[in-house]
Amino acid sequence: DVKVTQSSRYLVKRTGEKVFLECVQDMDHENMFWYRQDPGLGLRLIYFSYDVKMKEKGDIPEGYSVSREKKERFSLILESASTNQTSMYLCASSSMWEDQPQHFGDGTRLSIL
Amino acid sequence: RKEVEQDPGPFNVPEGATVAFNCTYSNSASQSFFWYRQDCRKEPKLLMSVYSSGNEDGRFTAQLNRASQYISLLIRDSKLSDSATYLCVVNEDNNNDMRFGAGTRLTVKP
Repeated sequence: DVKVTQSSRYLVKRTGEKVFLECVQDMDHENMFWYRQDPGLGLRLIYFSYDVKMKEKGDIPEGYSVSREKKERFSLILESASTNQTSMYLCASSSMWEDQPQHFGDGTRLSIL
Repeated sequence: RKEVEQDPGPFNVPEGATVAFNCTYSNSASQSFFWYRQDCRKEPKLLMSVYSSGNEDGRFTAQLNRASQYISLLIRDSKLSDSATYLCVVNEDNNNDMRFGAGTRLTVKP
């Protein structure tokens, strides 16, 4: 079974803080993704990576950055957290083949106060 | 127009009912299709892939209509445990760029 592990289930931070969300997968997947999920908006892609040190902007990259130094780990960084970044953050991974589904971590519910 | 659209519901059905969800997509070049299930406050989990010829997994049947650009999910003999949000997912290109619908909420009642 694919295992995607997110470092925190719940996180509370303050406005202006730098926030790190970590994601690790154990299936040697090439692709990794960060989404946020908000009521009524579904999942929106923030960034994705298809290889080590590679990153691509998704639909809503503003206010975020990412890091992929190792194949199994994909970090999402909120440079200066703002209240509108309060959300559920989901990490996913998949193999490089186009017909393969993505597998999700448990999610991190982040609150910015 | 949204790339992937679903009826948000909610669908409230009695146990044993048959319920169907549709999902339309805008990119005719889309390559692969999936249904995910998401329980409240949990992560999405793959329910089934959708193949061109249609496919069935127990009480669940998924179909693809490329001409009309929609996929469907049929649930027969609904169980209480089927209550969840069902997400339609469309993979648009070779980079595994998946587009998610906003989800359809299903509640199965005794």
